[in-house]
Amino acid sequence: QKEVEQNSGPLSVPEGAIASLNCTYSDRGSQSFFWYRQYSGKSPELIMSIYSNGDKEDGRFTAQLNKASQYVSLLIRDSQPSDSATYLCAVIASGGSNYKLTFGKGTLLTVNP
Amino acid sequence: GAVVSQHPSRVICKSGTSVKIECRSLDFQATTMFWYRQFPKQSLMLMATSNEGSKATYEQGVEKDKFLINHASLTLSTLTVTSAHPEDSSFYICSAPGGTTNQPQHFGDGTRLSIL
Repeated sequence: QKEVEQNSGPLSVPEGAIASLNCTYSDRGSQSFFWYRQYSGKSPELIMSIYSNGDKEDGRFTAQLNKASQYVSLLIRDSQPSDSATYLCAVIASGGSNYKLTFGKGTLLTVNP
Repeated sequence: GAVVSQHPSRVICKSGTSVKIECRSLDFQATTMFWYRQFPKQSLMLMATSNEGSKATYEQGVEKDKFLINHASLTLSTLTVTSAHPEDSSFYICSAPGGTTNQPQHFGDGTRLSIL
């Protein structure tokens, strides 16, 4: 079974701090990795996508991918209370449908004013 | 960017009612769409893959006769919850791939289904 693991949290950080979210995946052949943010009662929205080893930055968000360690992370700089949400790590695994996402259970982030 | 529209956003109905949820891709064609279910404080669970022009592919444990999926066109997939019961109350979300096979999926706004 292809799995995506996340620490469920909650992760609590003060406003202005860096929030670090981590994810590991079991399928070594996975090629596509995504971070989604989900507010309570809402559907997920895409934050970042990453496909190659290394860092990818977009504003306050940085995604990091290490395929050798089967590890992907999301850093949120200058965290704001509006960043409080559940962050879902998602992976397109190898084989089968190339569109099919496997989600982690999500990490609940709380940013305290 | 690509947009997925889901309707209705909220349904409240009596036990035994069948409920239809629509998922439309607004500015792109989607030969594949996905249907998820999410219970409170849990992650998204993939129910089925909707395929235009062919039968849907259901995940293990999902009753195909209970959750009917029709992908009538390249922009529309429907999920019908037949003879819904209180245990079917959940948040149902559809999604569609945005383009090439490794591109992220675009999610609809979800449908909150409450069965009394």
